[in-house]
Formats: sequence, structure tokens, C-alpha cells
Amino acid sequence: QKEVEQNSGPLSVPEGAIASLNCTYSDRGSQSFFWYRQYSGKSPELIMFIYSNGDKEDGRFTAQLNKASQYVSLLIRDSQPSDSATYLCAVNLWGTASKLTFGTGTRLQVTL
Amino acid sequence: DGGITQSPKYLFRKEGQNVTLSCEQNLNHDAMYWYRQDPGQGLRLIYYSQIVNDFQKGDIAEGYSVSREKKESFPLTVTSAQKNPTAFYLCASSTDGKLYGYTFGSGTRLTVV
Repeated sequence: QKEVEQNSGPLSVPEGAIASLNCTYSDRGSQSFFWYRQYSGKSPELIMFIYSNGDKEDGRFTAQLNKASQYVSLLIRDSQPSDSATYLCAVNLWGTASKLTFGTGTRLQVTL
Repeated sequence: DGGITQSPKYLFRKEGQNVTLSCEQNLNHDAMYWYRQDPGQGLRLIYYSQIVNDFQKGDIAEGYSVSREKKESFPLTVTSAQKNPTAFYLCASSTDGKLYGYTFGSGTRLTVV
């Protein structure tokens, strides 16, 4: 079992819709969770982080964490074509000090 | 402006040649990391360093070497022992990855010719 799993996609949503990206992780003791956006040919850019169960909102982005079920989600409201990118989930797994383990990413396509 | 600078942006390596990728940061971060990214495989950790003069192997260290003589610099050498070096190489740094995540450089795309 991979330690951090994401559906590779592509996830296709129409402009203005809500995009929902999911990530599951293997270790129940994991403490911090990050979402990165990566445009094609570019480096990853941090867009959200969450530590506690529940929702965290920042503009059009909402991160949701459920530690009991070991998943973290990213919702993008009012999706725009500029949101088309690969979204990487990163987790600080238990016992790995300050290292992050990355999922393989979900490619999001926002269509006109 | 604070940030991480990777150079060169594109690098071509001949068979049997060693090449060195540069990574410099002025964020005053203690920890630095090297990742390799191949299509469909996400980010794989090559080496990391949490303090000057100390570094540890990641998941795919074979065929690579690093040094950390200064806090600001963490160069990666791709040796001739790395049989499939064509990839996108990303350097990252952090104060505390658990709390703040990583900041990434712009990457170096290495191609074997």
C-alpha cells in the first residue's frame, strides 16, 4: 500500500463548478497535511495546509481533514481554467521527523 | 527577495558523465531536500539535509551524491552510476516541514544525450 494515495485523474470539471480532490494516507498518527499546485513544467507551490480535523477555508479553497478515516480533501469553488494543474497531497507521516511524503498528484482540467 | 534558486534550468548529460545541479537558498532554512520527478511517479526523495555538514539518503540515493558545506547551498551530483537520470529535479527547503511545508526551487530538467 502506498503511504499517500491520490487518484491520478484527469478530473474534469466545468468552469464555475466545485472541484473535489481527495487524498488518503497510511499512518493514523500523521500530524500535518499540505496541498501543492503544480502547473505543467513548473515547480510545486504550496496553497493550503491543515493540522486539525474539520475544514479550513482560504478564498476559493477549502481543505478538509478526517483523521479517523485517514483522508484529506481539497475543494476548489468556482473553478477557473487557471486552476487546471496537478494537485499534490503531502503528509508528514508519523515517525518521519519533519519530512513530507508526497502523493503522485491528481490532474485537474477545468473546461470552458 | 527570499527564495530558492536552482541552476541551470536545463542540463544535458552525455553517457558516463557526472553533472552537478546547483541549489541555493536565502531563506535561512535549516533543512534542504532533493527530489526527482518522473511522469506519473510523483516526487521521490533523493537526499536531505537537516543541518550543515550532515545529510541522509532518501528513497532513491543510488547514483547521486550531495554536500552541505554551507547553510545556503545543497548541490546534487548525478554520477555516471545513475543509469536513468533523465528527469525533473526539484530542490526544496524548510524551517520545519511538519509545520510549514516546503518551499521549492524552479527545478532543473536533466536530459541524457
